[in-house]
Amino acid sequence: DTGVSQNPRHKITKRGQNVTFRCDPISEHNRLYWYRQTLGQGPEFLTYFQNEAQLEKSRLLSDRFSAERPKGSFSTLEIQRTEQGDSAMYLCASSATGSNYGYTFGSGTRLTVV
Amino acid sequence: DAKTTQPTSMDCAEGRAANLPCNHSTISGNEYVYWYRQIHSQGPQYIIHGLKNNETNEMASLIITEDRKSSTLILPHATLRDTAVYYCIVRVAMRGAQKLVFGQGTRLTINP
Repeated sequence: DTGVSQNPRHKITKRGQNVTFRCDPISEHNRLYWYRQTLGQGPEFLTYFQNEAQLEKSRLLSDRFSAERPKGSFSTLEIQRTEQGDSAMYLCASSATGSNYGYTFGSGTRLTVV
Repeated sequence: DAKTTQPTSMDCAEGRAANLPCNHSTISGNEYVYWYRQIHSQGPQYIIHGLKNNETNEMASLIITEDRKSSTLILPHATLRDTAVYYCIVRVAMRGAQKLVFGQGTRLTINP
């Protein structure tokens, strides 16, 4: 297991199109998190899963955003009707219940909406 | 709702110790302090965490004041590859877990 994997690494899309990103967490981690990071800012929390249950969503996650983790393993983040303001790095992280060692982050998916 | 404050930027000479301060005056008794760093275009990387005692690992040392209102991350012999944004974080409780709330961090530049 080489860590948290995110695909694609880069995505360029036209405004109004839908995009989907995938995150494969570390296999023994039951918790999965999505963050968004815009230029010059720290990562902002979007949502969190424990196994397949989505337990927390930020108010940043508008109706156009949806995240799933259907079998408690990989997760997808979909953005519908993309807007230029959605351009950002989307980061996924995972952790294990009871661990105090924080999260392990993936390298992110950089989305550019043109 | 980040619970920490850090200087925006710092410089350090290669080979010297880099000391990065962080204030977390509202930290609660059972909350850990975490440090992550982010090198350009990569995801944040865990460095170290602590509760009350000073901690050391292969990457860094963490010194927490006795009142726990501030801490310092020490990179003992900084190299050019340590140039990054360093985030000091206190976790925030949420349903079933705790989340990392990032501030703007300290941009550390190691100079040759």
